[in-house]
Amino acid sequence: DTEVTQTPKHLVMGMTNKKSLKCEQHMGHRAMYWYKQKAKKPPELMFVYSYEKLSINESVPSRFSPECPNSSLLNLHLHALQPEDSALYLCASSQPRGEYNSPLHFGNGTRLTVT
Amino acid sequence: ILNVEQSPQSLHVQEGDSTNFTCSFPSSNFYALHWYRWETAKSPEALFVMTLNGDEKKKGRISATLNTKEGYSYLYIKGSQPEDSATYLCALIANTGNQFYFGTGTSLTVIP
Repeated sequence: DTEVTQTPKHLVMGMTNKKSLKCEQHMGHRAMYWYKQKAKKPPELMFVYSYEKLSINESVPSRFSPECPNSSLLNLHLHALQPEDSALYLCASSQPRGEYNSPLHFGNGTRLTVT
Repeated sequence: ILNVEQSPQSLHVQEGDSTNFTCSFPSSNFYALHWYRWETAKSPEALFVMTLNGDEKKKGRISATLNTKEGYSYLYIKGSQPEDSATYLCALIANTGNQFYFGTGTSLTVIP
C-alpha cells in the first residue's frame, strides 16, 4: 500500500465542471508535487510545494489551480478543462532536496477523463 | 525543461536472461539521479538514489551505476524474472531547484 493517498481514483468531468483532486501524506515530508502523465510519456512536472509554499509552477495553464492547505495535504482544483487534459495525475512527496536526498513517494494517481 | 533520455524504449527478454538499460542526462545539471520501477496499476516505487560519480547500488538482482562526468547511468537486472516486468524510470534531480526530471522510461517484459 502506498503511503501517499490520492482521491478519487477515477474522475470523469465535462468541460464546464469544477472538480478537485486530493492528495494526503503522513510521512512528515515537506515537499509535495503534482505530475501529469499521458500514455507512453514520462511523468511531467506541474507544481512543487516546498514547506507549504508554491516553489515551482512549470507554466501550467490557469485552469489548473494547486493548493496546499497544510504540510500533509495537496489539492489540485480543476476548472474549464479541455479533452487534451485527460491523463493520469500523480501526486508525490519527498523531503526537500536540501535536507535529505530522499526519493519521491507516489500515490496511485487519479485517472482523469474530460468529455 | 531538461532532457533526460532512456534507451531502449522497450525490451522483451526471456526469464533467466540478464539485461541492462541506459539513462542519459545533461551532466552540468546533475545533483542526484533516482531510479524508479513502475508496475502496471501501481504507483512508481523508488529503487535507487545516486549522488556520487562512480556510485554503484544494489538491491537483490538489480544494480545501478552512475557516471556524472559523462552524464549516464546504467540499470542492470541479473536473471530476469516475470515479476521484474515493469517500466523503469530514471529521474534527474537538477542542481537548479527542487525539480525531478523524468526520462521516457524503459518498458521491460520478461517472458516466462
